[in-house]
Amino acid sequence: EIVLTQSPGTLSLSPGERATLSCRASQSVSSNYLAWYQQKPGQAPRLLIYGASNRATGIPDRFSGSGSGTDFSLTISRLEPEDFAVYYCHQYGISPPFTFGGGTKVEIK
Amino acid sequence: EVQLLESGGGLVQSGGSLRLSCAASGLTFSSYAMSWVRQAPGKGLEWVSSLTGSGGTTYYTDSVKGRFTISRDNSKNTLYLQMNSLRAEDTAIYYCAKSPFEYYGSGRKLYYYYMDVWGKGTTVTVSS
Repeated sequence: EIVLTQSPGTLSLSPGERATLSCRASQSVSSNYLAWYQQKPGQAPRLLIYGASNRATGIPDRFSGSGSGTDFSLTISRLEPEDFAVYYCHQYGISPPFTFGGGTKVEIK
Repeated sequence: EVQLLESGGGLVQSGGSLRLSCAASGLTFSSYAMSWVRQAPGKGLEWVSSLTGSGGTTYYTDSVKGRFTISRDNSKNTLYLQMNSLRAEDTAIYYCAKSPFEYYGSGRKLYYYYMDVWGKGTTVTVSS
């Protein structure tokens, strides 16, 4: 099973600042099958990024994903008030289990 | 617009059973792999189970193998999760989610098991 470790656990930033979230895998993620989701309190998760770097439909271009192999990151170039949420990475490689990271909370400083 | 609506959650005693349903609309349901993902109170997301568009191939996380069964009725555009021998640690919000696919070489289908559309979830509480 591929274990995903997200860091930091909590990121305290102000609107307008840049956020960089990390997701490290215990072994290489095949074909960079790595996705990122955003979840706000009381809501279902929303897909942001798939294939490590492809933005999902309707996602603003301030969100970008990068990385390969075992190290991936999600960057929010300039935080908007609606971006304060919890973010999860998820690997969906060739065979299950399809695991999630523990999440990074982006909170207002 | 694709919509997923879960139902069937509730309070059940340890060792009991529940069947969750997920009604889908706005898509050719039989084309897509579907999944269940859960979230325990105050915790992160956990993948539970997935199955292909035809329902012919299913996958489970180890902790539910032998207790949970995922299935679908493509004539009713509905996904199910039969949960037996429930434990306190199964307490969670259960989300159903849709996954995309693409065709490659000679019409073969490749499913991508990330979740591009999610339902709002249904809550399962197992009392010990």
